[in-house]
Amino acid sequence: AQSVTQLGSHVSVSEGALVLLRCNYSSSVPPYLFWYVQYPNQGLQLLLKYTTGATLVKGINGFEAEFKKSETSFHLTKPSAHMSDAAEYFCAVSDGGGTSYGKLTFGQGTILTVHP
Amino acid sequence: DTEVTQTPKHLVMGMTNKKSLKCEQHMGHRAMYWYKQKAKKPPELMFVYSYEKLSINESVPSRFSPECPNSSLLNLHLHALQPEDSALYLCASSLFTEQPQHFGDGTRLSIL
Repeated sequence: AQSVTQLGSHVSVSEGALVLLRCNYSSSVPPYLFWYVQYPNQGLQLLLKYTTGATLVKGINGFEAEFKKSETSFHLTKPSAHMSDAAEYFCAVSDGGGTSYGKLTFGQGTILTVHP
Repeated sequence: DTEVTQTPKHLVMGMTNKKSLKCEQHMGHRAMYWYKQKAKKPPELMFVYSYEKLSINESVPSRFSPECPNSSLLNLHLHALQPEDSALYLCASSLFTEQPQHFGDGTRLSIL
């Protein structure tokens, strides 16, 4: 079974400050890891993904995340927050295809607020 | 703009009604998914179709009936729903099941 824990249901930063959203996962197989963003009244948009290879992955809108196997973490960062980053962020894990058919297990989400 | 299109965007129905939600993608994706998202909660998987065959049913009540008529279209037929079924229903697709999923903007369903 897989699980995801997002530390902090709400994170508040000032515009221009570092954004750090924390995600820890549990998986019995090598995980596929994802970060999605959801704006109000919209679906989920893929920010970035880790499957294999380079552990530092870059995504859209200046976000990046680092896969740390020893810490079972996949934290999301952005050097400088913008007002448009205010949204809810979900970390998700899957074991790829196979018998799970790519089933995503999501964390509880973190709402990011950006203050001017 | 999303490449996964869901209609309608909003739906209000009574508990005795029959309605359908529709999802389309034209990206050549072979896996399609239905998720249910309650307010302030993460999405929960309901169904997975792979190559137009139902591959996963997450013990969803039979009042929800999925259908995949072709590789581009996914329907969710609704009948005799309960008030607790009110939620945002999200459709997603991926090239293959191990690839990242792309989501539509959802149908917001309210059961009276």
